[in-house]
Formats: sequence, C-alpha cells, structure tokens
Amino acid sequence: DAGVTQSPTHLIKTRGQQVTLRCSPKSGHDTVSWYQQALGQGPQFIFQYYEEEERQRGNFPDRFSGHQFPNYSSELNVNALLLGDSALYLCASSLHTDQPQHFGDGTRLSIL
Amino acid sequence: GQQLNQSPQSMFIQEGEDVSMNCTSSSIFNTWLWYKQEPGEGPVLLIALYKAGELTSNGRLTAQFGITRKDSFLNISASIPSDVGIYFCAGLDTSGTYKYIFGTGTRLKVLA
Repeated sequence: DAGVTQSPTHLIKTRGQQVTLRCSPKSGHDTVSWYQQALGQGPQFIFQYYEEEERQRGNFPDRFSGHQFPNYSSELNVNALLLGDSALYLCASSLHTDQPQHFGDGTRLSIL
Repeated sequence: GQQLNQSPQSMFIQEGEDVSMNCTSSSIFNTWLWYKQEPGEGPVLLIALYKAGELTSNGRLTAQFGITRKDSFLNISASIPSDVGIYFCAGLDTSGTYKYIFGTGTRLKVLA
C-alpha cells in the first residue's frame, strides 16, 4: 500500500520563475494539505484541499496556489519565486480534514 | 507563522536513558499528534491523542494529552541510537478552520 508520494524530490529554480510540485495521497485518503518547512523549523501550513476545493489557508501570499484533481492528487504552484521560498515542501494526506495526517518525503526547492 | 513551543529544543542522552519532552500552546486543541522526522524524510506519525488526560503508548513511546488541553508530553523509554531525529508535536486548530499547527521541534541525539 503506497504512502504519500511527492515529485520531484529536488528542484533548483531562479528568482522570478514559477514551479509546480506534485503529490499523490495515501490510498483511501481524500484530503491533501501542503506545508513549507524552512531549515531548523517545524512545518508551516500553506493550504488544504478537499473535494477539489481549497478549504483552509495559512498565512501565505497569493503567489502560492494549488489544485486537487478528481483522483485526490494535488499540485502546489508558486509564482514569482523569491529567495525566501527555498525550503522543503511537504504534502500530507488524511481521511478527512480533521484526521491525523501522513506525510510524504517532500520536495527540496532551492532558489538561486 | 504560528508555532507551538517545544521543550527542550535539543538534547543529548545516553543509550538506555529515558527521555521526556513537552509541547505547549496558548490555545486549546482537541487533537494532539506526535511525529518523528529524520534527515531527508518527511515526518512520520507516532501517536495521536483525542481526549484530555488520555495516555497512549506505541512501543517504547508514551504520549499524554494534557488536562488543560493546552499541552502534551512525549516520553521515550530506554532510548536506542535509532531514536535520533527531530520530534514534532502538532495540535488541531478548530477555531474557524481545521488545520494542524506544528511545534518548533525537539532534536534528540543518542550517545551509544
């Protein structure tokens, strides 16, 4: 039974570019949440998707957007990349919005 | 962004010793989760707590949901080298939206 999978594992971009990260949830899970984890910090909540809609959002600018597909997989898009966007981006899935979340191994994004 | 306070920030212990760490919040939570994260990986769910005062074990790990609902505790008994990692707590914020807020982490290093 596959857990949460994320792609790519690593990515290098330059300032001003745009990036798309992908996530497949654990089998049977319908809710996907995205987090940003800076070095030495805990994960910071970006937003959560359920039934293909953004349900909750953390304190992140509109440059961060997402999408959930009918098969529950999800994408995180970041526009106009800044140096400060360099971080590990984690995807987590759960059975519902308030259930314990299971994480993927993340995408390490580096901005030059 | 908002993060919960975890204590201690880091600790070195001898193999075989017991470990205690805690997590505190200014808000009340209805669910507490504990995760472990190792280098290059996403957080792995260890224990979930749903009721004030609840005590739950997972092998050598025991976690408690504080009776004030503003704190939680994790104990590791008879530590072994593979316990090395960063331990995160997370509380479910239900004030208007359902999202998990993570702690700052406790970095554990075990000396053989």
